Amino acid sequence: QPVLTQSPSASASLGASVKVTCTLSNWHSSYTIAWHQQQPQKGPRYLLTLNSEDSHIRGDGIPDRFSGSRSGAEHYLTITSLQSEDEGDYYCQTWGAGVVVFGGGTKVTVL
Amino acid sequence: EVQLVESGGGLVQPGGSLRLSCAASGFTFSTYWMHWVRQAPGKGLVWVSGISGDGTNILYADSVKGRFALSRDNSRNTLHLQMNSLRGEDTAVYYCARGHEFWGQGALVTVSS
Repeated sequence: QPVLTQSPSASASLGASVKVTCTLSNWHSSYTIAWHQQQPQKGPRYLLTLNSEDSHIRGDGIPDRFSGSRSGAEHYLTITSLQSEDEGDYYCQTWGAGVVVFGGGTKVTVL
Repeated sequence: EVQLVESGGGLVQPGGSLRLSCAASGFTFSTYWMHWVRQAPGKGLVWVSGISGDGTNILYADSVKGRFALSRDNSRNTLHLQMNSLRGEDTAVYYCARGHEFWGQGALVTVSS
């Protein structure tokens, strides 16, 4: 089954950009990745998916400050013009082979 | 407007049972895979179980296989998770999710004596 690996933390200054990385296990590099945000003391919120044509499918009300990209097995979530409300945990997710898998989450801190 | 509203959480003793429900509205329920995802206190998101739109394909995480049973009632737009033989490590907030694109607000399940 697929495995997703995320670095535990990332930080950047207010107004700057931050990139969160999610690495997909070698044999599953073609799987689709979805990204979710969880602000402190709140439930998760779907951000976006990057489809096979590299088009963004964003959730309702998600601004284009949030974008996805990929390079081989590495998937990235980039947040530009960082705002204080962007602070929280970010999870990548994939599905296939009869399972759904989440990465361990990356805590984003706005300095 | 898409809505997922979980209910049925609470405190239960180890070895006990609990049934979670998720009431869906604002979309054609029968055409979507539905899932339960849980989050233990201070921990990350963990997928628990999923069911296809017509209910014929049901998947479980190894940690709950044989103890939890997922079902859906497409006539009532409702998803159910029957949880049996509950353990302390099942303590978590349980989220209902539509595919990978929409989440409910969660229901807290606490397994403790």
